[in-house]
Amino acid sequence: AQSVTQLGSHVSVSEGALVLLRCNYSSSVPPYLFWYVQYPNQGLQLLLKYTTGATLVKGINGFEAEFKKSETSFHLTKPSAHMSDAAEYFCAVSEGDTGRRALTFGSGTRLQVQP
Amino acid sequence: ETGVTQSPTHLIKTRGQQVTLRCSSQSGHNTVSWYQQALGQGPQFIFQYYREEENGRGNFPPRFSGLQFPNYSSELNVNALELDDSALYLCASSLQPSLYNSPLHFGNGTRLTVT
Repeated sequence: AQSVTQLGSHVSVSEGALVLLRCNYSSSVPPYLFWYVQYPNQGLQLLLKYTTGATLVKGINGFEAEFKKSETSFHLTKPSAHMSDAAEYFCAVSEGDTGRRALTFGSGTRLQVQP
Repeated sequence: ETGVTQSPTHLIKTRGQQVTLRCSSQSGHNTVSWYQQALGQGPQFIFQYYREEENGRGNFPPRFSGLQFPNYSSELNVNALELDDSALYLCASSLQPSLYNSPLHFGNGTRLTVT
């Protein structure tokens, strides 16, 4: 069965600093990988996804992530944090168990951005 | 383009009661999925509906049931409510069942509290 581990339930950075949110997955087949962001009292918004092809994926709001099969990782980065990036971030995987129809989410990382 | 809308936004029910949550899919989307997000956790897949049929189910008991209508709107029904059913229920629509090229678009959720 697939699973997702997000290291660090809370991450705090200064405005302008590098953002690094960690995600490791387990999967018996090549996975589809996603990052979603959730602002308070809202649903989830897709930041970026990896299905096939280029392993470095660029998303919205300046975020990017790199699929590293050997490390089973899909870490999310942004070179320079902005106050508006403060939110909860979820990594998710979809693979063969569900016919690639459903997502298994990690438990989330809350990003704080200090002025 | 109208996004995914859910109603009601908040709901309080008593243990043992039944509840119906509603979702209107994004225009042009024929697939709807429901997720349960407990406080402090990532969302968990309940089930998916495609062309009015259940098309995949997560690890939830039969008292969780759903419907999809010809206009692709959807309902989630939960019978015999338990305290642990208290959560944010998220509806997500997509162009097709597979997540390969059809990402999920989430609504803002219904916050259910069971007392």
